[in-house]
Amino acid sequence: GESVGLHLPTLSVQEGDNSIINCAYSNSASDYFIWYKQESGKGPQFIIDIRSNMDKRQGQRVTVLLNKTVKHLSLQIAATQPGDSAVYFCAEKGDDKIIFGKGTRLHILP
Amino acid sequence: GAGVSQSPRYKVAKRGQDVALRCDPISGHVSLFWYQQALGQGPEFLTYFQNEAQLDKSGLPSDRFFAERPEGSVSTLKIQRTQQEDSAVYLCASSLWTGTGVSEQYFGPGTRLTVT
Repeated sequence: GESVGLHLPTLSVQEGDNSIINCAYSNSASDYFIWYKQESGKGPQFIIDIRSNMDKRQGQRVTVLLNKTVKHLSLQIAATQPGDSAVYFCAEKGDDKIIFGKGTRLHILP
Repeated sequence: GAGVSQSPRYKVAKRGQDVALRCDPISGHVSLFWYQQALGQGPEFLTYFQNEAQLDKSGLPSDRFFAERPEGSVSTLKIQRTQQEDSAVYLCASSLWTGTGVSEQYFGPGTRLTVT
């Protein structure tokens, strides 16, 4: 079965607010996680990654938090914009392949 | 610069037909991956090449699926005797290298296959 999965299929957020997308994983040996953004008709696009020896990593308007105790990671998007509307996947890097969860669709409300 | 390109972008096949999907990776990228994405799902790994060598094909769902990368650049995913359950988006990704380190995978736009 899948080793990563998401809590919610859809998230609606007011434009300008912060978005938080959650993900749980099951393999405690996992050591590298990635968040992807996928817009309609496009392939997944790398957003940010984090190794298991970190608990937080920041990018431009995005932050990933990793809680190894409860095997949970989250993606925070600050000041959500219309262009953030997409499906977001958390993923785990295996030996060579990437293992994706099902995805959360982020809707931006005007 | 040019990213990963895939062709065709859309393919409609009648059940039982053979199809061939092409992937042009980013120039110089050693590793190439194929994923299958069913509607409303995350991509699922199919197979992986390092140069021309197919190192992992554990995700191919049946022996009707075959992938090749004969010169270590362009890759073709072939599906024989297509079935309706093969309908999905087929994504190709490439990365500069793999191994003990981590190299970002860059995805193409995918080929949407519809089997009627």
